[in-house]
Amino acid sequence: GAGVSQTPSNKVTEKGKYVELRCDPISGHTALYWYRQSLGQGPEFLIYFQGTGAADDSGLPNDRFFAVRPEGSVSTLKIQRTERGDSAVYLCASSPSSALGTGELFFGEGSRLTVL
Amino acid sequence: AQRVTQPEKLLSVFKGAPVELKCNYSYSGSPELFWYVQYSRQRLQLLLRHISRESIKGFTADLNKGETSFHLKKPFAQEEDSAMYYCALPKRYQLIWGAGTKLIIKP
Repeated sequence: GAGVSQTPSNKVTEKGKYVELRCDPISGHTALYWYRQSLGQGPEFLIYFQGTGAADDSGLPNDRFFAVRPEGSVSTLKIQRTERGDSAVYLCASSPSSALGTGELFFGEGSRLTVL
Repeated sequence: AQRVTQPEKLLSVFKGAPVELKCNYSYSGSPELFWYVQYSRQRLQLLLRHISRESIKGFTADLNKGETSFHLKKPFAQEEDSAMYYCALPKRYQLIWGAGTKLIIKP
C-alpha cells in the first residue's frame, strides 16, 4: 500500500489480557516510531526503530510494553496484562531515515485500544 | 526540559477572518519546529516546518526566539481549515508534541 497501515483499527479487550498491534510502514522507510495518544493530548513517544533494532525505547511506560521489528519492516507493539489506563490510540509512523531534521513522519490511522 | 505548549484547546473563527494558532516552546538552543494537522477522519500529516519558511495552504509560521513562539497564521480562514493542529519540537529521535488546538471555521 501507499501509506502506513495499522491493524486492528479498533481493539476492545478486558483488563489483564494480552494485546498485539501491528504496523506496516511505507516500503523502504528505515525508521519506524510508535506513539500513544490519549484523549485531549498530543502524541506521546513510545519507541523508535532504525532497521531491526530499537534505537530508543525510552518512552515505553513499563515492562508490560514491548515492541519488535524482526525484519526491519513490519513492527508489532505488544502489551501484556493490559490495564484500563492503557486505553488510547496507538499511532505508528515511518520516515525514510532517522534524521528528524525534515520533521516529516508519515503516520498510520492508528489503532484505538479500549481496555474494559 | 523541552516542552511545547499550545494554550488554546479550541479556537473558533468565522470564514474569512484571520487565524492565529499559538505555540510556545522551551528549548535551549536553535530549535526546529513543525506544525502537523489532522483533518476529520484523516491521519496526522505534516503541514509545515520552520526551516523551509514555506507557506502551505495559506498558512505561515514564524519562529520568534525572543518570545519562544512559533505561532501558525493564516490571513483569511476557509471552512476546509477546520482540523486539529499540533505543534512539535524534535528531541533526538522523537518529536515532543503540544496538546493540540481544535480549529473550527464557522460559515
